[in-house]
Amino acid sequence: SYVLTQPPSVSVAPGKTATITCGGDHIGRKSVHWYQKKSGQAPVIIMSYDIERPSGIPERFSGSLSGNPATLTISRVEAGDEADYFCQVWDSDSAIFGGGTKLTVL
Amino acid sequence: EVQLAESGGDLVRPGRSLRLSCVASGFIFDDYGMHWVRQAPGKGLEWVAGINWNSGKIAYADSVKGRFTISRDNTKNSLYLQMNSLRPEDMALYYCAKAGGRGHNYGDFDNWGQGTLVTVSS
Repeated sequence: SYVLTQPPSVSVAPGKTATITCGGDHIGRKSVHWYQKKSGQAPVIIMSYDIERPSGIPERFSGSLSGNPATLTISRVEAGDEADYFCQVWDSDSAIFGGGTKLTVL
Repeated sequence: EVQLAESGGDLVRPGRSLRLSCVASGFIFDDYGMHWVRQAPGKGLEWVAGINWNSGKIAYADSVKGRFTISRDNTKNSLYLQMNSLRPEDMALYYCAKAGGRGHNYGDFDNWGQGTLVTVSS
């Protein structure tokens, strides 16, 4: 079965840039979606189809197009960005999530 | 505003059954596919099942295939998950999620409910 690999944790100082990777076999051929999940809250879509930012998501969030690994970049990180981040693709009629990356703002 | 409200979570013994419901509002329900996604304590997100706009296409994760059944009633703006033969590893917070399109097997999950907790324990 298809596996998406994310680093378990990423730490960054406020104001700096955080990069979260999502690796998978031939992932550049798939559309990657990214979700932010804060503790006690429901997941929120923050990036669709690699690079499309849904309404209300700050421009500080950006994605890579057809990259391998796929990447989510958060510029000018704020304390409120601290959360778990999950990538997601479709493979053989199943939605696959990465294991998640915990972003810690130092 | 899109709203998804799950219910039906409970404490059940292994081997028993449970039915989850999700009532949707704020969008044209029968224009979109719908999904169930779960998160076990301390774990990541796991897709469980998806259904397209008219129930014509359905898919399940291997971990629940043959035990869980997803369905929808477009006249009631409702999504369901019938869970049979529950196992301890099914214990999780179950989220109802709206697809970005009509299908059951593509795209993102653009809106999520707050989840309903299923506990499986003897």
